[in-house]
Amino acid sequence: NAGVTQTPKFQVLKTGQSMTLQCAQDMNHEYMSWYRQDPGMGLRLIHYSVGAGITDQGEVPNGYNVSRSTTEDFPLRLLSAAPSQTSVYFCASSHQGRGEEDIDEQFFGPGTRLTVL
Amino acid sequence: SQQGEEDPQALSIQEGENATMNCSYKTSINNLQWYRQNSGRGLVHLILIRSNEREKHSGRLRVTLDTSKKSSSLLITASRAADTASYFCATESNTGNQFYFGTGTSLTVIP
Repeated sequence: NAGVTQTPKFQVLKTGQSMTLQCAQDMNHEYMSWYRQDPGMGLRLIHYSVGAGITDQGEVPNGYNVSRSTTEDFPLRLLSAAPSQTSVYFCASSHQGRGEEDIDEQFFGPGTRLTVL
Repeated sequence: SQQGEEDPQALSIQEGENATMNCSYKTSINNLQWYRQNSGRGLVHLILIRSNEREKHSGRLRVTLDTSKKSSSLLITASRAADTASYFCATESNTGNQFYFGTGTSLTVIP
C-alpha cells in the first residue's frame, strides 16, 4: 500500500492565483481531512470528510474548498491564494472507529509546502 | 481556538533518560492521541487513549489521561537518539469528527 500520498511536494504561488492540492489514500478509509501547520504551532483542521459526497468545515476553512467524489481522493482547492495561506499542508485518513463518533489513528501524507508571494 | 497546549515547548535530555511531556486541552473528548513528527515529515501515530481509560502502555511509551483536569502525559522511557522529534497530542471532540492538535513539544535526545 502507498498509504496517503500528496502532490505536489512544493508549490509557489502569486497572490490571487488558484490551485488544487491533491490527496489520495489506498486504505479504503472513510475519514479524510486536511490540516495546515504553521511555524511553532500544531496542526489546524481545515476541512474533513466522513465519506464520499460528505464534507464539512473544520477550524480554519476560509479560503479553501474541498470535494469528495470518491473514497480515495480528497483534493483541497485554494480559490484565490493569499500570503496568509503560506503554510505546510497535510492530508490524513483513518477508519471510522467502533463508536459512531470515534475516529481511529490518522495516517498522514508527507505534506505540501506552499508559499504565496 | 480549540488548540491544546503541550508543556514543555522544548526538552533536551541524555540518551537513556526518561522524557515526560504534558498536554492540556479545552473540551470534552472521545479520545486523545499522541503523534510524533520528525523534521520535515508527516505525523506518525504513537498511541490512542479513550476517555474512559486512565493509563495505557505501548512498548517504551506510557500515556495517562485525567479527564477531570483535561490533561494527559506521555512518558518515553530509556530514550534513544532516534526519539528526537516533535510530539503532539490530538483530541477528538465528543461531538465527533474534529481533531484539535496541541502546539507540540520538541524533544532532543543527546547521544
